[in-house]
Amino acid sequence: EAGVAQSPRYKIIEKRQSVAFWCNPISGHATLYWYQQILGQGPKLLIQFQNNGVVDDSQLPKDRFSAERLKGVDSTLKIQPAKLEDSAVYLCASSLGAEYYGYTFGSGTRLTVV
Amino acid sequence: AQSVTQLGSHVSVSEGALVLLRCNYSSSVPPYLFWYVQYPNQGLQLLLKYTSAATLVKGINGFEAEFKKSETSFHLTKPSAHMSDAAEYFCAVSDMNTGFQKLVFGTGTRLLVSP
Repeated sequence: EAGVAQSPRYKIIEKRQSVAFWCNPISGHATLYWYQQILGQGPKLLIQFQNNGVVDDSQLPKDRFSAERLKGVDSTLKIQPAKLEDSAVYLCASSLGAEYYGYTFGSGTRLTVV
Repeated sequence: AQSVTQLGSHVSVSEGALVLLRCNYSSSVPPYLFWYVQYPNQGLQLLLKYTSAATLVKGINGFEAEFKKSETSFHLTKPSAHMSDAAEYFCAVSDMNTGFQKLVFGTGTRLLVSP
């Protein structure tokens, strides 16, 4: 089966600019997650979708971050305006949803804000 | 809320030596536990998972982990390290406090393997 697809793989922007990341989960996976992984740290959940509805966005900085999942399939994560501290790898993952499954991760997008 | 603690941000072993990466969990209910591996510039790959069946779980690449409820631990081991095992390893616990599964990750342990 095809894995979780993410693009772009790398992005360099200046602070205060905007950026968007795209994710295509594994077909049939109802649950989609965006994680932020800052260098030297474990992944931190930003937002979790069940189909096209948000079930957890408690850690999402909503003043600058937004995400959507159209038609319960692809998802886009946007940052506007970006700050230096947003430099990180943004990982998308999908799951069948049951707690014993774990996730399948994409390769991530490495964002550098200068 | 569930959490995991990984002891040691870096572990160094020689090729052929035993690998032991430590993970302790905090959970109010029987947990589901996972180990993931991350190679440079790649996403996370599932190594193994504990889902309340056998307490000794075997995963890919010769890794295994033992769930010990009395010690609230889920340590990852491999009898003989290979150079290709050098990577970052993350322990994670399933958290269902929103009614939907999410994984809470530890801070990771970087495994260094020397010839």
